[in-house]
Amino acid sequence: AQKITQTQPGMFVQEKEAVTLDCTYDTSDQSYGLFWYKQPSSGEMIFLIYQGSYDEQNATEGRYSLNFQKARKSANLVISASQLGDSAMYFCAMREGGGATNKLIFGTGTLLAVQP
Amino acid sequence: DGGITQSPKYLFRKEGQNVTLSCEQNLNHDAMYWYRQDPGQGLRLIYYSQIVNDFQKGDIAEGYSVSREKKESFPLTVTSAQKNPTAFYLCASSIGVGMGTDTQYFGPGTRLTVL
Repeated sequence: AQKITQTQPGMFVQEKEAVTLDCTYDTSDQSYGLFWYKQPSSGEMIFLIYQGSYDEQNATEGRYSLNFQKARKSANLVISASQLGDSAMYFCAMREGGGATNKLIFGTGTLLAVQP
Repeated sequence: DGGITQSPKYLFRKEGQNVTLSCEQNLNHDAMYWYRQDPGQGLRLIYYSQIVNDFQKGDIAEGYSVSREKKESFPLTVTSAQKNPTAFYLCASSIGVGMGTDTQYFGPGTRLTVL
């Protein structure tokens, strides 16, 4: 069964430093998509970055990059130059179904605290 | 501004009452979704709809019902059959299955408390 694992319940990082949030996944599908979302204390889920299973390049969006290691089934999120506003919960998610549906499976999240 | 709206933000109900959560989008998206989030957990899919007048059960559909009469609207009813309805409910939409990355975009959520 498809599964997303986020092993870090909480992380601290100093402002302006880089931080890596871990995500491993389990699937037997050849075609899948991996997403990262940010959830601030307000509750809304904010889309950050996407990586397709056939994408050869790691995805990047501004200060966010996804370190995709297919053989290890990991899709870690890297946030460069952390800002105080980055403090939030971060969720890794995988789209299952090979594209026939768009069901997402979420991990349990990592709470990031950026310290001044 | 295009986006997804959910109302109300906070909702209180007595045990045994049905309650309907609103979700509206003006993004012209075909697909819409309802998720439930419990403290310390990720999101779990309740129902989803890929097109008007059609919807499918997600992983935790028991005790919930939905309708999709209009493209813009996907209301969720939490019935008295739902054993533990107190949770944070998030609605999402996406362009449609098979359309590129088909990223799901979320509304601000409704926090339901059953007393």
